[in-house]
Amino acid sequence: DVQMTQSPSSLSTSVGDSVTITCQASQDITNYLNWYQQKPGEPPKLLIYDASNLETGVPSRFSASGSGTGFSFTISNLQPEDIATYYCQQYDTLPLTFGGGTKVDIK
Amino acid sequence: QMQLMQSGPEVKKPGTSVKVSCKSSDFTFTDSALHWVRQAPGPRLEWLGWIVVGSGYTESAQKFQGRVTLTRDLSTGTAYMELSSLQSDDTAVYYCAAGGARRFRTFESWGQGTLVIVSS
Repeated sequence: DVQMTQSPSSLSTSVGDSVTITCQASQDITNYLNWYQQKPGEPPKLLIYDASNLETGVPSRFSASGSGTGFSFTISNLQPEDIATYYCQQYDTLPLTFGGGTKVDIK
Repeated sequence: QMQLMQSGPEVKKPGTSVKVSCKSSDFTFTDSALHWVRQAPGPRLEWLGWIVVGSGYTESAQKFQGRVTLTRDLSTGTAYMELSSLQSDDTAVYYCAAGGARRFRTFESWGQGTLVIVSS
């Protein structure tokens, strides 16, 4: 199985700041990586697909990059509604696997 | 995005089975792949398996092989996940998630989740 190591597991920041989350794959997954946002009591929501493409309707303050084994996800100008847990997910190889999640909250 | 509606919460005894349904009213249902993902308190997400709705082809994670059965009913636009030999560590929220025709392995749309509690 492809192991996805996501860091940090949690972070606390201020409105207007930028935050960056990283995701490391245990093997080369080219660009077969997605990012999701999950708010409490809700299912995850797709934000980024194919490592760097913004899903339709997702604000442009969300961005991501990377290929191979190293990936990053950035929220610029953090807004209160961005408080959530974020997950990476690889789809290069079955079984599909997720990172452990990064919980983002406001100081 | 496809709308997916799941069945209600379940409480089950250890050793029994649970069957969760996921209904779509979207005409693109037959062009999609339907995945099952669970989330135990933790909050790690775990993929159980998928069914390619049009063909009925299924594949499950090795961890669940022999215990999970994925089916679909094209006439009602409903997919099902049955998990047998339940144990307490199967307690989780179970989600169905759909990938569209060009993104089979991407979870574009999600059901609201079904809480399954396994307790004696």
